[in-house]
Parts: sequence; C-alpha cells; structure tokens
Amino acid sequence: DAGITQSPRHKVTETGTPVTLRCHQTENHRYMYWYRQDPGHGLRLIHYSYGVKDTDKGEVSDGYSVSRSKTEDFLLTLESATSSQTSVYFCAISEWKGQAYNEQFFGPGTRLTVL
Amino acid sequence: QQPVQSPQAVILREGEDAVINCSSSKALYSVHWYRQKHGEAPVFLMILLKGGEQKGHEKISASFNEKKQQSSLYLTASQLSYSGTYFCGTEWAAGNKLTFGGGTRVLVKP
Repeated sequence: DAGITQSPRHKVTETGTPVTLRCHQTENHRYMYWYRQDPGHGLRLIHYSYGVKDTDKGEVSDGYSVSRSKTEDFLLTLESATSSQTSVYFCAISEWKGQAYNEQFFGPGTRLTVL
Repeated sequence: QQPVQSPQAVILREGEDAVINCSSSKALYSVHWYRQKHGEAPVFLMILLKGGEQKGHEKISASFNEKKQQSSLYLTASQLSYSGTYFCGTEWAAGNKLTFGGGTRVLVKP
C-alpha cells in the first residue's frame, strides 16, 4: 500500500470555526490532491499541488485554501467552516511518468461534519 | 465538465457480465478507472491512453473509443468481490488534472 495518511480521520466542528486537515505521504510523489466526496457527485477536486509551494485551484475551491511547505505534507484549511462543507475528504498522490500521470493513490479519507 | 457514467447502478448475479460507460463532451487524452468499496478509499484499476488501447485487470477490462470520446469498462464473469462503486476519471490533455464521473454502483449477488 502507498504510504499516505490523513489526519484527523473524523472531525465534528461548528459553523464558523477554522479547520485544517493534513495529508502526509512517504512516497516522495510530486503531485498531491484534495478531493471531496458527496453522494451523487463522485469525487470533486478542491485543490492540487505540483510541487512544494506550487498549488492550484480545482473545480470546488471556494472556501478552501491549501499549503505545501514540504514534499510530504499537503494541508487543507477551511477558514470558516459551513454546513455545506460537511463531506468526506480524500487526499491523493501521483507521479508523472512519460506520457501521462501515473495512477492516483488515495488516503483513507477524513469524515468532516459541520454542525 | 464532469464525464457522464452509465448506468448509475447495476445488479448482477455472480458469473454475469456488465458494461459501464464513461462519456465526455470534450476530447479525451486518457481515462482512469477506480473502484471504491463502501467506507474505503478508491483503488486504481487501470489507465487508458487515447488510441483505442484496451487493458485488463483480472477479469475486468476496458476500452477507449477516441471517436466517441467514450471509455467502457467490462466486468466479465463477475465475482462477489467486484461489488463497489466504479469511477472513471478523465484527462483532457497531457498534464491536466483528472475530472471524475459520478460513479456507477455495482452489486454482485450470489
């Protein structure tokens, strides 16, 4: 299994509070991603990173920010959590090889509930 | 634009076959297929690059029709372990991020 962990695994918080989710990898992969998964929507990309301090927005980035100061860590921050951000959050890693991205390896997920 | 998967759900008896389609309105460069079991993370199955390449994973294979901008996943002689939700992820150009479809729920019954 790819060495990728997420913390915390479960979190319940209140509307308006800041929340930070952490993704940690031991594979030295260049690319890291944050997705959210909601019923009927599949996996939607929030932000991704293509190197240390290099990040870009995905399709549902409003209300989220990210940081990557080290290759192994990718942080997702909800500045002021809202109930619409209740979801399961997955981190993924991948590497570029030749013609296309290699497969993405997903972390175990974080279940976030915003009350 | 999110790729469209069909059907949304399928129920099979062990040993039966099924096809899951993933269609895009934009020209595709590659298609990734993943399977997710309930309460777990998605797991990679295979990647197909444009050119109609067909790949296989156990008794699961896939094709990529460049003209139709569609990929199909074939579950052959299904096993109980094939149950889960299947997602396609599409890449529209080399180096672009993946966009995932809404998923197809597969239930294989004894």
